[in-house]
Amino acid sequence: QSALTQPASVSGSPGQSITISCTGTSSDLGGFNYVSWYQHHPGKAPKLMIYDVSNRPSGVSNRFSGSKSGNTASLTISGLQAEDEADYYCSSHISILGVVFGGGTKLTVL
Amino acid sequence: EVQLVESGGGIVQPGESLRLSCAASGFTFSRYWMHWVRQAPGKGLVWVSRIKSDGTAIAYADSVKGRFTISRDNAKNTLYLQMNSLRVEDTAVYYCARDGVGSGHDFDSWGQGTLVTVSS
Repeated sequence: QSALTQPASVSGSPGQSITISCTGTSSDLGGFNYVSWYQHHPGKAPKLMIYDVSNRPSGVSNRFSGSKSGNTASLTISGLQAEDEADYYCSSHISILGVVFGGGTKLTVL
Repeated sequence: EVQLVESGGGIVQPGESLRLSCAASGFTFSRYWMHWVRQAPGKGLVWVSRIKSDGTAIAYADSVKGRFTISRDNAKNTLYLQMNSLRVEDTAVYYCARDGVGSGHDFDSWGQGTLVTVSS
């Protein structure tokens, strides 16, 4: 149950687009189309942004999109806004073994 | 409105036990898989355990297997995590989370968390 690999930090200016990658193996992320992404502002409850690779829950802005190719998933945020500054985590279902998260990526809006 | 409220956190010494509770409201608790997720200070989210809606299909992260026990009382709309033989490395904010509508395990609702500190 090793953590998925995410960059420690990414940054972008307001209005720009950024992409956060999440890399696993064929045993976890690559083996299932069950990748989720969470936004976490410190001190608050995490928020589901993407599920099943590319689906957005009701109420989540369409500026957030997800994709996957092989063992790597990506979260793209377009039209960056100040309130997007947060920690972002990917996760993958790993069958009967449960769930594995990525190490998290700190997004800074410059 | 979906609400998940954790309780039971506190400061304990290594080797001691603690039981966390998560009170659910605003949805039909008995229909949902539930999970515990933790976050150590300055670290990322880590999945801890899950339980199916009917109390079966239980699974644990390797780091807590044999020490932690997840359970639920659907009549009381409450999820539990019994934590025994606690270690310093179990220090974290513990969140309960509800399984979402995705085909895998995604967490569409989270509590605010309860802090567990294990220290001598």
